[in-house]
Amino acid sequence: KNEVEQSPQNLTAQEGEFITINCSYSVGISALHWLQQHPGGGIVSLFMLSSGKKKHGRLIATINIQEKHSSLHITASHPRDSAVYICAVRGIQGAQKLVFGQGTRLTINP
Amino acid sequence: DTEVTQTPKHLVMGMTNKKSLKCEQHMGHRAMYWYKQKAKKPPELMFVYSYEKLSINESVPSRFSPECPNSSLLNLHLHALQPEDSALYLCASSQVWLAGVYYEQYFGPGTRLTVT
Repeated sequence: KNEVEQSPQNLTAQEGEFITINCSYSVGISALHWLQQHPGGGIVSLFMLSSGKKKHGRLIATINIQEKHSSLHITASHPRDSAVYICAVRGIQGAQKLVFGQGTRLTINP
Repeated sequence: DTEVTQTPKHLVMGMTNKKSLKCEQHMGHRAMYWYKQKAKKPPELMFVYSYEKLSINESVPSRFSPECPNSSLLNLHLHALQPEDSALYLCASSQVWLAGVYYEQYFGPGTRLTVT
């Protein structure tokens, strides 16, 4: 079992739909990152969380430390949101290292 | 300037060639990272430099040789690679981790390497 599990692995939705991507982890963490990667491209950091909730535009990220669970929500989804979304955690001991989930491939159809 | 640049964008090399990948940032970050990413997989950490010193080597084969000549530059020297080394190589940078304080990593666009 991976230390970081994401669901779903693939998600296809229509433009305008509300999107939720989930991330569960099994280790103690100091921070959790949500990253976005467009096809063939580099990675953009969307959020870094250690507690609570953060919002940036149409994106919302939440984390529940007790349940070892985080969600990324996209409101009013748009085709340009189509990308791979990766959850990564920073452990308590190995603070310089990120442990990555397998990613969720999101496709938003017009 | 929150940009990490990488050159070249694409590289094709034979198994006997020697080549280098270059990464540069001007954000004043003192931690720099090399990742390898295969298709449809998450990035795998290869090396971490902290204050220009190698702090993490994830048991990477010696045909990959990192170098951090100054606080803005990170190189990855490649020699005698195998076809299975073909991948996207990503560089990232961040502030150095301090106890209780964590920083975001900024990623470059990557170098797509093909070994023939």
